[in-house]
Amino acid sequence: DAGVIQSPRHEVTEMGQEVTLRCKPISGHNSLFWYRQTMMRGLELLIYFNNNVPIDDSGMPEDRFSAKMPNASFSTLKIQPSEPRDSAVYFCASSLGAASYEQYFGPGTRLTVT
Amino acid sequence: SQELEQSPQSLIVQEGKNLTINCTSSKTLYGLYWYKQKYGEGLIFLMMLQKGGEEKSHEKITAKLDEKKQQSSLHITASQPSHAGIYLCGADRSMGQNFVFGPGTRLSVLP
Repeated sequence: DAGVIQSPRHEVTEMGQEVTLRCKPISGHNSLFWYRQTMMRGLELLIYFNNNVPIDDSGMPEDRFSAKMPNASFSTLKIQPSEPRDSAVYFCASSLGAASYEQYFGPGTRLTVT
Repeated sequence: SQELEQSPQSLIVQEGKNLTINCTSSKTLYGLYWYKQKYGEGLIFLMMLQKGGEEKSHEKITAKLDEKKQQSSLHITASQPSHAGIYLCGADRSMGQNFVFGPGTRLSVLP
């Protein structure tokens, strides 16, 4: 299995631009998580899907952030408009079952907003 | 604010030494998880503990959860350079909900 796949691996964009991060979970996993990691705040859960349905989006910072999971093999995290404070590493993870148990993390997308 | 606290924040040990990392919550946890992260990479699952008093081992790493399910320790025996990285504890306070991570403990092992 290829593991969780994220793209792009690195993204540099200017403030105000739209950013879309992509994730392909491990086949057969029915839970998907988006995290953000910064030095200041550590690793934070943004949103969690189960069977393609958003279950907990309480970690999404504000309306500029949105996430979708149109099918079991694909999810996006969109930031519009982006701001410098959004600079972070964004991780996608997937797991079997409805609970968070053993999560398999992707390599992350390093986002820099200038 | 962090719901999980970890100590120490960083640790430097000589190869072959034993070490312990602690994770503390002010609230009872449904499940406690340990992950390891190497610089620039995603997290790798190590162990999950759910029952009070539970202890699990994998190779030279042992994790314990206290009876009240508010404190966990990760112990590495005879550390090796391959153990270097950031160790994070994660927890949920109800099944699949409110999942949070601690700030991490950065471990360096000197050869």
